[in-house]
Amino acid sequence: NAGVTQTPKFQVLKTGQSMTLQCAQDMNHEYMSWYRQDPGMGLRLIHYSVGAGITDQGEVPNGYNVSRSTTEDFPLRLLSAAPSQTSVYFCASSYRGISYEQYFGPGTRLTVT
Amino acid sequence: AQSVTQLGSHVSVSEGALVLLRCNYSSSVPPYLFWYVQYPNQGLQLLLKYTSAATLVKGINGFEAEFKKSETSFHLTKPSAHMSDAAEYFCAVSAFNTGTASKLTFGTGTRLQVTL
Repeated sequence: NAGVTQTPKFQVLKTGQSMTLQCAQDMNHEYMSWYRQDPGMGLRLIHYSVGAGITDQGEVPNGYNVSRSTTEDFPLRLLSAAPSQTSVYFCASSYRGISYEQYFGPGTRLTVT
Repeated sequence: AQSVTQLGSHVSVSEGALVLLRCNYSSSVPPYLFWYVQYPNQGLQLLLKYTSAATLVKGINGFEAEFKKSETSFHLTKPSAHMSDAAEYFCAVSAFNTGTASKLTFGTGTRLQVTL
C-alpha cells in the first residue's frame, strides 16, 4: 500500500492564483481530512469528508473548497490564493470511527507571494 | 467543544534522561486521546492512543502515556531519551459528535531536543 499520497510537495503561487492540492489514499478509508500546519499553532482542520459525496467544514474553511467524488481522492482547491494561506498542508485518512488513528500524507509546502 | 493544551513549546533533555511531555485536555464528553510524532519534513505518525480501555497506554519506541481523568491530563513519558527521539510531538483529542465522524483537535506541539 502507498498509504496517503500528496502532490505536489512544494508549490509557489502568486496572490490571486488558484490551484488544487491532490490527496489520494489506497486503504479504503471512509474518512479524509485536510489540515494546515502553521508555526506555534499546531494543525488546524480545514475540511473533512466522511465518504464519497459528503464533505463538511472544519475550523478554518475560508478560502478553500473540497469535493469527494471517489473514496480514494480528496482534492483541496484554493480559489484565489492569499499570503495568509502560506502553510504546510496535510491530508489524512482513517476508518470512520472515533478510535481509529488517522494516517497522514507527507505534506505540501505552499508559499503565496 | 474540545481542546488540548500542551505545556512547553520546547523541551530539552540529555540522552538517557526521562522524557516528559505534558498534555491537558478539555472535553464535554468522554474523550479519545492521541499522541502523534512528526520528524523533520515528514507527516505525522501515531505514537499511541487512549480509547477508554487501560488508562496506561504503551506506544511505539518505548513511549507511554497515562490517562488521568481527575487531572484531565494525558502526559507522554519515556524513561530514557535517545537522540532519535528528537522531533515534534502533538497531543490530540477526539470526541464523538452526533451525526458526523469524529474530528481531531490538536495541541500546538512540543519540540523535543535531545542533547549528548
